[in-house]
Amino acid sequence: RKEVEQDPGPFNVPEGATVAFNCTYSNSASQSFFWYRQDCRKEPKLLMSVYSSGNEDGRFTAQLNRASQYISLLIRDSKLSDSATYLCVVNPKQTGNQFYFGTGTSLTVIP
Amino acid sequence: NAGVMQNPRHLVRRRGQEARLRCSPMKGHSHVYWYRQLPEEGLKFMVYLQKENIIDESGMPKERFSAEFPKEGPSILRIQQVVRGDSAAYFCASSPPDRAYEQYFGPGTRLTVT
Repeated sequence: RKEVEQDPGPFNVPEGATVAFNCTYSNSASQSFFWYRQDCRKEPKLLMSVYSSGNEDGRFTAQLNRASQYISLLIRDSKLSDSATYLCVVNPKQTGNQFYFGTGTSLTVIP
Repeated sequence: NAGVMQNPRHLVRRRGQEARLRCSPMKGHSHVYWYRQLPEEGLKFMVYLQKENIIDESGMPKERFSAEFPKEGPSILRIQQVVRGDSAAYFCASSPPDRAYEQYFGPGTRLTVT
């Protein structure tokens, strides 16, 4: 079983739509969780950390459900510039600082 | 504050040659990580280093691959006797010593083995 699993999509949504991505992780002892964004042929960039209490940054909301071992990302009022691949990232901590990346979910926002 | 720097950005090698990939972490960052991204796959952890120490190399292939982070100069990922399957994007990330969970990525080196 993969450490981190994501629906690869693609998700094609119109501008202004709300879209949600989910991700599941296998290691119940995992400590840190993140969403990264990766544009085509570019490096991943940290979008936001995910906390147990949930957190919001503008149009983006991240949630963590430890009992079910899944992480979600909600994007409201989608913009064309949101088109990218969104990577779910888990740090099991007890194995050091290596990150486990999901394969990513592709989002295209259509005008 | 310059970001993580990697060079070269693109590297072409023939089978059997050596590839050397360089990574300069962000200023003040003492932790370096190397990841490999194969086409249509997610990033896979390879190795985690601090200055002059390899902390975790559990993701590194046992043969032909090595990494170092000397006291002075960039971190180097070295691939000896490259094969076609080594063709991938290799990303380096760095993190500050007090927030090791925040990793900032360089632009990557795209290695093509012909």
